[in-house]
Amino acid sequence: NAGVTQTPKFQVLKTGQSMTLQCAQDMNHEYMSWYRQDPGMGLRLIHYSVGAGITDQGEVPNGYNVSRSTTEDFPLRLLSAAPSQTSVYFCASSRTGTDTQYFGPGTRLTVL
Amino acid sequence: QQQVKQSPQSLIVQKGGIPIINCAYENTAFDYFPWYQQFPGKGPALLIAIRPDVSEKKEGRFTISFNKSAKQFSLHIMDSQPGDSATYFCAASLSGAGSYQLTFGKGTKLSVIP
Repeated sequence: NAGVTQTPKFQVLKTGQSMTLQCAQDMNHEYMSWYRQDPGMGLRLIHYSVGAGITDQGEVPNGYNVSRSTTEDFPLRLLSAAPSQTSVYFCASSRTGTDTQYFGPGTRLTVL
Repeated sequence: QQQVKQSPQSLIVQKGGIPIINCAYENTAFDYFPWYQQFPGKGPALLIAIRPDVSEKKEGRFTISFNKSAKQFSLHIMDSQPGDSATYFCAASLSGAGSYQLTFGKGTKLSVIP
């Protein structure tokens, strides 16, 4: 099993550009989520999904969009990138809501 | 509103010492408390977790102590090693249906000096 994979590993955007961060898991997990990690702020939940076709907002959803058309994939879209979205983004999946969360390796995003 | 407060922000101990990281939570309905370990450039990975029906859980050199009345839980690392140098996050959540949200503390950067 590859576990949770994320692409790209690094990305530089200009303000106003849009992009999609990809996340895939091969463990047949129902639960998937996106976090951002900023220095001194810990991990903050952006959006999450409890199954294909079902998504919900987390703590910091503004400026981000998600969809879940398959169990395996959970892409995160930045609609119009802003410097405040410079961060490291982690995707995670788990079998249930309180089961072990498996994190991907992260995407380091810089918005100029 | 921060629902899980973690301290200290950073910690330096000598090899063999016992670093202790503390977390306090506000929501009395939380019933699942995991700790995650993160090495530089990697995603966090589950280290150990506890539910409030027990006051202590040990896995190898790692121990969680849980005080339900004080709404606090802590991570102890016995005989710490340089390889334990990492950032540690506590977290808390509800386990009922539709309650899937892990709330993380802000993290503790641990350095174990040889």
